[in-house]
Amino acid sequence: EVQLLDSGGRLVQPGGSLRLSCSASGFLFKNYAMAWVRQAPGKGLEWVSGISVSGDKTYYADSLKGRFTISRDNSKNTLFLEMSSLRVEDTALYYCAKASNSIYFHFDKWGQGTPVTVSS
Amino acid sequence: ETVMTQSPATLSLSPGERGILSCRASQSIDSKLAWYQQKPGQAPRLLIHGASVRAPGVPVGFTGSGSGTEFTLTITTLQSDDFAVYYCQQYSDWPLTFGGGTRVE
Repeated sequence: EVQLLDSGGRLVQPGGSLRLSCSASGFLFKNYAMAWVRQAPGKGLEWVSGISVSGDKTYYADSLKGRFTISRDNSKNTLFLEMSSLRVEDTALYYCAKASNSIYFHFDKWGQGTPVTVSS
Repeated sequence: ETVMTQSPATLSLSPGERGILSCRASQSIDSKLAWYQQKPGQAPRLLIHGASVRAPGVPVGFTGSGSGTEFTLTITTLQSDDFAVYYCQQYSDWPLTFGGGTRVE
């Protein structure tokens, strides 16, 4: 069974940093593109970042302005999101998402989400 | 950035009725469009990709159509389990973008 376990979310002060992780199992992780998608409380879905199968190509939402970094460790079947200079508006449930293949970024499996709260 | 606009924001229907949800892209995305269903407290579920290809396990009552800039998700006969929020997403170019969602109530 395909499983994605998101973790690392917590309460953090504005300006702080956080590292999210997503542990994958049940599929050949190294063969699939991956992404992070967030959802602010009561709001819609917002794509955050994506990464190619080998990790050599990364993509980000324009609004992040270089504050977030996506990476992956194919030897450990794990996806990461390093978040810095966090703002109140970054408060959201962050989902790890598996692309349906190695090329096209539509997502056929999602983690349960890990909550990030940015507040003083 | 390709802006995705969904309409209506809310669709009020009864079980057994047909639901028609629209999604418009600000520029052509060919058929690189996906639809998701999200229920309260749950992660999104992929319904359709390639504008019209049902994901495995998705009932035949969900039909996607369209190409270019205009897309439609049709729920042929609403079941109680279908009342949820539906999002479209384009994957034609970067950044990826989602529509604002349609709540089917």
